[in-house]
Amino acid sequence: AQSVTQPDIHITVSEGASLELRCNYSYGATPYLFWYVQSPGQGLQLLLKYFSGDTLVQGIKGFEAEFKRSQSSFNLRKPSVHWSDAAEYFCAVGGNTGFQKLVFGTGTRLLVSP
Amino acid sequence: EAEVAQSPRYKITEKSQAVAFWCDPISGHATLYWYRQILGQGPELLVQFQDESVVDDSQLPKDRFSAERLKGVDSTLKIQPAELGDSAMYLCASSPPPTRGGKNIQYFGAGTRLSVL
Repeated sequence: AQSVTQPDIHITVSEGASLELRCNYSYGATPYLFWYVQSPGQGLQLLLKYFSGDTLVQGIKGFEAEFKRSQSSFNLRKPSVHWSDAAEYFCAVGGNTGFQKLVFGTGTRLLVSP
Repeated sequence: EAEVAQSPRYKITEKSQAVAFWCDPISGHATLYWYRQILGQGPELLVQFQDESVVDDSQLPKDRFSAERLKGVDSTLKIQPAELGDSAMYLCASSPPPTRGGKNIQYFGAGTRLSVL
């Protein structure tokens, strides 16, 4: 069965510092991978996605993620964090046939300190 | 930019009462999903529609939850009777068809926050 692990429940980063959020997945075939961001009381906004090809994918708001098949990882990065990036971040895995459901990790809450 | 519409945004109810949530997907999106997100966790799929047909409701507690999408457009999720453990955020999402580059990209609404007292 597919699953996603986000090992960090909370991360605090100083404004302007770099960020890396970890995501490990388990999936029996080639996965589709996603990062979503959720502000308090809001729905989920898609940051970026990986389907195939270049393993480094660019997203909105200056985020990027790297797919590493050998490590079953899809870590999210940003070179310089802004206070407005404080939110909950979810990694998700989905199948690449039809419209299979997304399986989400438990999320990482990002706190940005001044 | 088109959005997935959900209402109400917030709902407070007492246990044993009935509640209903409404979702209007992005126009042209044939696939519609209902997720439940318990505080501190990621969303979990409750039910998935392809047009008006249910394609996955394996995680829907069918003794108390029901969902319909009668005309293949908007959808209603109902809980009757509500229990304390149903307190959560209920999220609706939709996907465009494969011919429009869907590739399982799901667009989410703002959700309905349910509190059962």
